[in-house]
Amino acid sequence: QITLKESGPTLVKPTQTLTLTCTFSGFSLSTSGMAVGWIRQPPGKAPEWLALIFWDDDKRYSPSLKSRLTITKDTSKNQVVLTMTTMDPVDTATYYCARTTTWAFDYWGQGTLVTVSS
Amino acid sequence: QSALTQPASVSGSPGQSITISCTGSSSDVGLYNLVSWHQQHPGKAPKLMIYEVTKRPSGVSNRFSGSKSGHTASLTISGLQAEDEADYYCCSYAGTNTPFVFGTGTKVTVL
Repeated sequence: QITLKESGPTLVKPTQTLTLTCTFSGFSLSTSGMAVGWIRQPPGKAPEWLALIFWDDDKRYSPSLKSRLTITKDTSKNQVVLTMTTMDPVDTATYYCARTTTWAFDYWGQGTLVTVSS
Repeated sequence: QSALTQPASVSGSPGQSITISCTGSSSDVGLYNLVSWHQQHPGKAPKLMIYEVTKRPSGVSNRFSGSKSGHTASLTISGLQAEDEADYYCCSYAGTNTPFVFGTGTKVTVL
């Protein structure tokens, strides 16, 4: 059974750095072709892809947010971590992690709502 | 990379068929056969319904089907049921530097 779960703060202040952890089970991120991504969805809006990390530690970032994002993995702990700097109220959203093997996100976490407010 | 364009809403009566369009460009939908569709009920995470334009994951009803013509992909739901009422998002591979671009979303209402 494949599961993913996001964890991290629910409230961050403007200018702070957000750190989110995705803990997964049922697959290994060391398997060839495997990748885990982060997607966010502001309330009432469409999802927006943020970052992706592959089994071989290759990484991809949304061009519009690249300067603020870092994605890393800890294969032994089955975790993927996303950091986003200089948080702003417009970054308020539900943040999801999801797995992909075929350029489609086939398993998603439940999401975690992050509110940016002073 | 701009978001893919979807109609804001589509509606149909139970048993009918509806089709949702997803229009991209020659850099994404038109270039790659890597379009996926996700269903999202309120307060829930998106669920993969279609991948690689036409393929259904195990467990997804065969009432859901996908197609593509040029820069536009489509999701068809046949035999519409009350449980199909949800938001639907398309997503396309858009190249090495921007692997994923999502659609604007379509709210499906079952009348």
